[in-house]
Amino acid sequence: GIQVEQSPPDLILQEGANSTLRCNFSDSVNNLQWFHQNPWGQLINLFYIPSGTKQNGRLSATTVATERYSLLYISSSQTTDSGVYFCAVSYSGGGADGLTFGKGTHLIIQP
Amino acid sequence: ETGVTQTPRHLVMGMTNKKSLKCEQHLGHNAMYWYKQSAKKPLELMFVYNFKEQTENNSVPSRFSPECPNSSHLFLHLHTLQPEDSALYLCASSQDGLADPDTQYFGPGTRLTVL
Repeated sequence: GIQVEQSPPDLILQEGANSTLRCNFSDSVNNLQWFHQNPWGQLINLFYIPSGTKQNGRLSATTVATERYSLLYISSSQTTDSGVYFCAVSYSGGGADGLTFGKGTHLIIQP
Repeated sequence: ETGVTQTPRHLVMGMTNKKSLKCEQHLGHNAMYWYKQSAKKPLELMFVYNFKEQTENNSVPSRFSPECPNSSHLFLHLHTLQPEDSALYLCASSQDGLADPDTQYFGPGTRLTVL
């Protein structure tokens, strides 16, 4: 199956700093999602981005499908950005397919 | 209710008990999923249902028994579980069945503790 590697595993930053989280995947995908898991376990959708670039406020993401990686950018970090960020992928030939998750990046934003 | 809901949010059960987890999606989707998040492992897919039919079982032990009576409801029946089954169980839904897959939306999860 597809392998997903995320880096760095842990990241500690001061409020206001910028960060880049990386996701590498081992095979072709047509679904790639970034999630933020809050302390209560809820997975919050950030981006659906199998290719291209998207922006939403202070967050943006880029996926280069031909090179099998995706990047999540967080600018002007706030303490509420703390949590675990997951990249998840799948390849579907049609129909529903489960996502394969990376191990996540644990982000801590200090005031 | 909006999005994907799960009940109960917390569950403690003994190894001989039988319990069920419930998931309901209010998004009009046709596909539903069960995932497991253990302390030591990444999120793992357990089951996939598409238009009420099971399309994937990711080698899950038979002590976990899913049920999908319609496209809006998904259950996970639990019996004779082991302490290592303690985990966060997450349900998701999506609108699939077309050429390209779509965004999966997750519920808040059920935190299960097996004593």
